Amino acid sequence: AQKVTQAQTEISVVEKEDVTLDCVYETRDTTYYLFWYKQPPSGELVFLIRRNSFDEQNEISGRYSWNFQKSTSSFNFTITASQVVDSAVYFCALSEEGGNMLTFGGGTRLMVKP
Amino acid sequence: EAQVTQNPRYLITVTGKKLTVTCSQNMNHEYMSWYRQDPGLGLRQIYYSMNVEVTDKGDVPEGYKVSRKEKRNFPLILESPSPNQTSLYFCASALLPLGSSYEQYFGPGTRLTVT
Repeated sequence: AQKVTQAQTEISVVEKEDVTLDCVYETRDTTYYLFWYKQPPSGELVFLIRRNSFDEQNEISGRYSWNFQKSTSSFNFTITASQVVDSAVYFCALSEEGGNMLTFGGGTRLMVKP
Repeated sequence: EAQVTQNPRYLITVTGKKLTVTCSQNMNHEYMSWYRQDPGLGLRQIYYSMNVEVTDKGDVPEGYKVSRKEKRNFPLILESPSPNQTSLYFCASALLPLGSSYEQYFGPGTRLTVT
């Protein structure tokens, strides 16, 4: 069975600080896909990134970066120079190859204070 | 505009009164799914559908029903709602099964309160 753990339930930072959101996953499959979604206070879910298990290259998109490490089953998300608009709940999720279900972690609430 | 719509967005009802939450997508997606979101638990999958007339249970299907008679619609039915079904519900769709790594497009959510 697949499982996603986001151990940090809430993080509070001051604007311009860097912050890393942790995601640890469990799966028996060798092929799988990892996702991050953002849920701002307005409530909608916004897709951020998808990564397959064969691509361990880190990815950077503006102030966002993702560190995928198969050796530790982690897919961590870093926001550089955080801004108030980054305040949201962030979800990590996992899907197995050939599977039809997306398993979410419990989410991390990020609060960025001015 | 490509989107997933849900109705109603907010609903307060009483125990035992049957209700339906509608979900519709205009992207011709084969895959559709329902989730519920509860504090600390993230999103949990209720049911999903791979195509018309093909549905299957997710992690938390008890107390819910779904149907997929048309490709664009995937209603969620609560035959006899109970207070433990108070939650935020999301419908989602995707072009291909998740095994093909496509991200899901989510609706705006339906906040349901059962008293």
